[in-house]
Amino acid sequence: AQSVTQLGSHVSVSEGALVLLRCNYSSSVPPYLFWYVQYPNQGLQLLLKYTTGATLVKGINGFEAEFKKSETSFHLTKPSAHMSDAAEYFCAVSEGNTDKLIFGTGTRLQVFP
Amino acid sequence: DGGITQSPKYLFRKEGQNVTLSCEQNLNHDAMYWYRQDPGQGLRLIYYSQIVNDFQKGDIAEGYSVSREKKESFPLTVTSAQKNPTAFYLCATPRTSGATGELFFGEGSRLTVL
Repeated sequence: AQSVTQLGSHVSVSEGALVLLRCNYSSSVPPYLFWYVQYPNQGLQLLLKYTTGATLVKGINGFEAEFKKSETSFHLTKPSAHMSDAAEYFCAVSEGNTDKLIFGTGTRLQVFP
Repeated sequence: DGGITQSPKYLFRKEGQNVTLSCEQNLNHDAMYWYRQDPGQGLRLIYYSQIVNDFQKGDIAEGYSVSREKKESFPLTVTSAQKNPTAFYLCATPRTSGATGELFFGEGSRLTVL
């Protein structure tokens, strides 16, 4: 069965600093991996998605993630944090080639001026 | 604009009452999903429907019921059998047909049991 683990429920960075949010996955089949972002009292928005091919995936708002099969990781990064990046971020894996997503427990990102 | 609409945004319920959360989409998509979100637990799948008049239980279906009589509508009823119903409920549908895992979420309904 697929699962995801997000290391760190809270991450704090200064504006302009590197953002690194960690996600490790477990899957018995080649995974489809996702990062979603949630702003307070709103639904989730898709940041980026990995299916096959290039292991470095670029998403919206300057975020990117790298799929590392050997480490079973899919960490999310952004070179320079902005105040507007403050939100909760969820890593997810799909059950095979379906829309059924299994979500991690989320990481809340705080950005300080 | 195409999208997904949840209502109400906030809902209060007394213990022992059933409550129904609305989810409507105008994207003409077959699949719809209900998730429950609790702090520190991420999102958990309650029910999903791949086509009209058909739906399947997710990981935490106990105490919930759904119907899918129309393609655009997938209401969720939180029954009195749900022991801990206070949560944020999210409905979703695929962003586009064939885009696996790319879900488009509504803005959610926050249910509080008094």
